Amino acid sequence: GENVEQHPSTLSVQEGDSAVIKCTYSDSASNYFPWYKQELGKGPQLIIDIRSNVGEKKDQRIAVTLNKTAKHFSLHITETQPEDSAVYFCAAAGGGADGLTFGKGTHLIIQP
Amino acid sequence: NAGVTQTPKFRVLKTGQSMTLLCAQDMNHEYMYWYRQDPGMGLRLIHYSVGEGTTAKGEVPDGYNVSRLKKQNFLLGLESAAPSQTSVYFCASTWNGRNTEAFFGQGTRLTVV
Repeated sequence: GENVEQHPSTLSVQEGDSAVIKCTYSDSASNYFPWYKQELGKGPQLIIDIRSNVGEKKDQRIAVTLNKTAKHFSLHITETQPEDSAVYFCAAAGGGADGLTFGKGTHLIIQP
Repeated sequence: NAGVTQTPKFRVLKTGQSMTLLCAQDMNHEYMYWYRQDPGMGLRLIHYSVGEGTTAKGEVPDGYNVSRLKKQNFLLGLESAAPSQTSVYFCASTWNGRNTEAFFGQGTRLTVV
């Protein structure tokens, strides 16, 4: 089955700086790569996703890049703000019905 | 529009007791999922359903059963709870399979002593 590796497990950045979280996947059939943000005591919430026919996608301060050949994708957050502090999960999925395969998460800490 | 609602939010069980976690969604989604979240492990799929009356096993199904008698509800049962089932459980739903946005509930924190 699919295996998703996520790094780093903890990332601390100064407010206003950029943050980058990286993931690799193993199944070349995977074609959907979402990123979820989880705030303390809440369920994960989708912040951005990318499909395998696209190399990059942006939404304001958030961007995701995908390299299908190398089987890795990354989340980029620019001009970080205190409200960006949370746990971020990457995930991968193919076209089947079963659930997403998640990475183990990155705890992003924004230092004032 | 409540989205995905999980009941209860917290529960403490003794080893060997049974319980049922309820997930309800009001978005008319076909697909529903149960995940467990453990520290440093991410989210792992327990069981899922592709429509009313259907269920299937995920990555870690042992010790759990599920039912989807109504489209809007997905129940997760623990017949004989074990300390290894101490976890936070999340229900999610999607409109059309795993490659569309998943909407998660707030989670149920279960402790088995």
